[in-house]
Amino acid sequence: SQQGEEDPQALSIQEGENATMNCSYKTSINNLQWYRQNSGRGLVHLILIRSNEREKHSGRLRVTLDTSKKSSSLLITASRAADTASYFCATGLFSGGYNKLIFGAGTRLAVHP
Amino acid sequence: DGGITQSPKYLFRKEGQNVTLSCEQNLNHDAMYWYRQDPGQGLRLIYYSQIVNDFQKGDIAEGYSVSREKKESFPLTVTSAQKNPTAFYLCATGPYQPQHFGDGTRLSIL
Repeated sequence: SQQGEEDPQALSIQEGENATMNCSYKTSINNLQWYRQNSGRGLVHLILIRSNEREKHSGRLRVTLDTSKKSSSLLITASRAADTASYFCATGLFSGGYNKLIFGAGTRLAVHP
Repeated sequence: DGGITQSPKYLFRKEGQNVTLSCEQNLNHDAMYWYRQDPGQGLRLIYYSQIVNDFQKGDIAEGYSVSREKKESFPLTVTSAQKNPTAFYLCATGPYQPQHFGDGTRLSIL
């Protein structure tokens, strides 16, 4: 099974509302990253949070990390239609001799005008 | 303009044919990666290379091959041994971990 699992699988909200996506993982990690993917495009790196950090902000994005619960959340405040995309968490760990990044299946966010 | 260029954007493969996907970067990153994405799923690692002339298998390497003759280039060949190649293929680079992604190549079977 995958290391990172996002919840919910899909989220539909109105513009201006906040969107919260959660990610759970199974093993110890070095860091956790969040990515956005617009339909048919590559991934865009949003935020990296290290295992010794608890919260990080970037613009309208807020990421928290709880290593005791092996979970992270991504909050997008005051959402816009342009935020419509899939969001993936990826856990970074050193395994098999290299820095691995293991992706979850993603949350599909739809923001309606 | 710095970044990662993947080509072609769309590719069709006939039965028994090998096809090669191109990935070029000008970010001066040592590490390059190939991922496969199936509909509604996350990314799975096919191959990675941490330095020129060296590469390692990822989680789903069977039916694929790569080369790393130049720092800037990491082509992926989908061989006829890959029986289910239809997917979205993403190339990534990073100083020590995947961080920047190309726009992908969508491979389909004719």
